[in-house]
Amino acid sequence: QVQLVESGGGVVQPGRSLRLSCAASGFTFNTYGMQWVRQTPGKGLEWLALIWFDGSNEAYADPVKGRFTISRDNSKNTLYLQMNSLRAEDTAVYYCARYYGDYGGRTYGMDVWGQGTTVIVSS
Amino acid sequence: DIMMTQSPLSLPVTPGEPASISCRCSGRHLQRNGYYYLDWYLQKPGQSPQLLIYLGSNRASGVPDRFSGSGSGTDFTLQISRVEAEDVGVYYCMQTLQTPHTFGQGTRLEIK
Repeated sequence: QVQLVESGGGVVQPGRSLRLSCAASGFTFNTYGMQWVRQTPGKGLEWLALIWFDGSNEAYADPVKGRFTISRDNSKNTLYLQMNSLRAEDTAVYYCARYYGDYGGRTYGMDVWGQGTTVIVSS
Repeated sequence: DIMMTQSPLSLPVTPGEPASISCRCSGRHLQRNGYYYLDWYLQKPGQSPQLLIYLGSNRASGVPDRFSGSGSGTDFTLQISRVEAEDVGVYYCMQTLQTPHTFGQGTRLEIK
């Protein structure tokens, strides 16, 4: 079945790095764009980053721009989020999600989400 | 960045009654090429978010037809024609007109 499974979360000290992975299965990964969204404890959803189906374009939210990098390996059906210079405010559940975008610039919503992986930034 | 504001933030509803959630975009129309770049999501308790509506008014696959999205310009609405117990959770709107994409702060629907 169509599935996204995040991994790589954990407890990390401020200033350190962590790489999250999102393994995709059950669909043709290289035809979908991918996004990362996080949710801080008890708070709402925060959009973080997206990457096009072929990896040719990326975009980031201001709070993570320059610190986080989204990437994908279509040969491994895997999405990544490299997180550097982590801060306490990055503590959250991180979700990956797929979306379909067409050449007209339309996006058809994030229709498949992973279960989330928890990142705790603490000394 | 485009700011999205939802109202109300809390919505108690009696089962069988309708419900409506508003989402307003700050100072920027979300229309481009005849489409509204506004999606709606529901996060049920203990679950990942799920897509309800994309491009303003299109129901995602498997979403019951009691859910509908409408709106234009900067003002959008998610309507539930008859609320059921399984509809409890937090509803979010999100604009995808430009990056960074941005979510509203969420509306918590609860059953009276």
